[in-house]
Amino acid sequence: KQEVTQIPAALSVPEGENLVLNCSFTDSAIYNLQWFRQDPGKGLTSLLLIQSSQREQTSGRLNASLDKSSGRSTLYIAASQPGDSATYLCAWETGANNLFFGTGTRLTVIP
Amino acid sequence: DGGITQSPKYLFRKEGQNVTLSCEQNLNHDAMYWYRQDPGQGLRLIYYSQIVNDFQKGDIAEGYSVSREKKESFPLTVTSAQKNPTAFYLCASSGRRMNTEAFFGQGTRLTVV
Repeated sequence: KQEVTQIPAALSVPEGENLVLNCSFTDSAIYNLQWFRQDPGKGLTSLLLIQSSQREQTSGRLNASLDKSSGRSTLYIAASQPGDSATYLCAWETGANNLFFGTGTRLTVIP
Repeated sequence: DGGITQSPKYLFRKEGQNVTLSCEQNLNHDAMYWYRQDPGQGLRLIYYSQIVNDFQKGDIAEGYSVSREKKESFPLTVTSAQKNPTAFYLCASSGRRMNTEAFFGQGTRLTVV
């Protein structure tokens, strides 16, 4: 059974700190890995997509890396802001067009 | 603007009733998905469709039904057979080709009253 684990489950940091969110998965035969953001009561917003042939992707203050051999991905957020407070979900895609999701990391950035 | 739209945002169902959740996309995506999200749990796949007139069961399909008569639309019916339907339902779409980004709607919160 494919599993996706996200650590930590919750994280509180003061504004301005750099932080790392972790995602691990059990199957190295992935097609891509995607990071999402979810605000309370809302849908998911795509942040970054890393294809299986890539090692990292960057968008603004966000950087996501992928290490297929160890089954891990990290999302690095630089200079965190209160507006970054949300739940962050990783999901990996199998060959059957399915996305397997982790349970998320709930981030709180304290002003 | 291109996007994926779910309606209604909130839905209340009496026990024993069937209800249908709408999902429409204008992204020209072939693949569409329905997920269920419960507190403290990850998203679980209910049904998915990779092409018109075809769909497949996900991990928790029991008590749900779908149709895919048009590329743009993938409605989900929560039937009376679903014993615990109260949850947040999310619809998503993506290109059929591998390594394409998935986009989500804003969700429908279903409550049984």
